Amino acid sequence: EPEVTQTPSHQVTQMGQEVILRCVPISNHLYFYWYRQILGQKVEFLVSFYNNEISEKSEIFDDQFSVERPDGSNFTLKIRSTKLEDSAMYFCASNEWTGPGELFFGEGSRLTVL
Amino acid sequence: GQQVMQIPQYQHVQEGEDFTTYCNSSTTLSNIQWYKQRPGGHPVFLIQLVKSGEVKKQKRLTFQFGEAKKNSSLHITATQTTDVGTYFCAALTGTASKLTFGTGTRLQVTL
Repeated sequence: EPEVTQTPSHQVTQMGQEVILRCVPISNHLYFYWYRQILGQKVEFLVSFYNNEISEKSEIFDDQFSVERPDGSNFTLKIRSTKLEDSAMYFCASNEWTGPGELFFGEGSRLTVL
Repeated sequence: GQQVMQIPQYQHVQEGEDFTTYCNSSTTLSNIQWYKQRPGGHPVFLIQLVKSGEVKKQKRLTFQFGEAKKNSSLHITATQTTDVGTYFCAALTGTASKLTFGTGTRLQVTL
């Protein structure tokens, strides 16, 4: 069964460093998303992406964050200068179309900022 | 931004007991989705409800969408230990590409 894959599964970084989290969405999907979940809390929307541009972003997704689809398969989330409060699980998701429709989530990348 | 609230935050039941989680919004929703997240896992889609008053069943799970499309519920009959996890409702807020998750209800089931 097709699945969304994410790397790395866990990354530890120093405050102020840049991190890139990678995702390979399901191949025929057109809409891509990043969500984050601070331990024990709810799943928070960061950004949606379609047709090589951001469709919508939340207030969390400030200038420190960027997304890119550098080739036909990868979808990346970059955090330019990490802060302690960026420590969370980051989930990538994709679906075939926006609006009503099931989101398929990857297993997540755990980011720990020291 | 728009909030989607769930109650209770946490429920602990004995295996075989029933469980219900409620999802509430202050605004009318176009649809509602439900996801389950096992401990240490990722959200997994359960179902989507679109119509006012809609009721859908999946084995021991019953999902309802309120008549006013502002609330929804998930009821599990005769819980099993495999039901353990956090149940999230999720709704489109803002544009059609922003799915906002509720606060979640964590279910613990013991023998």
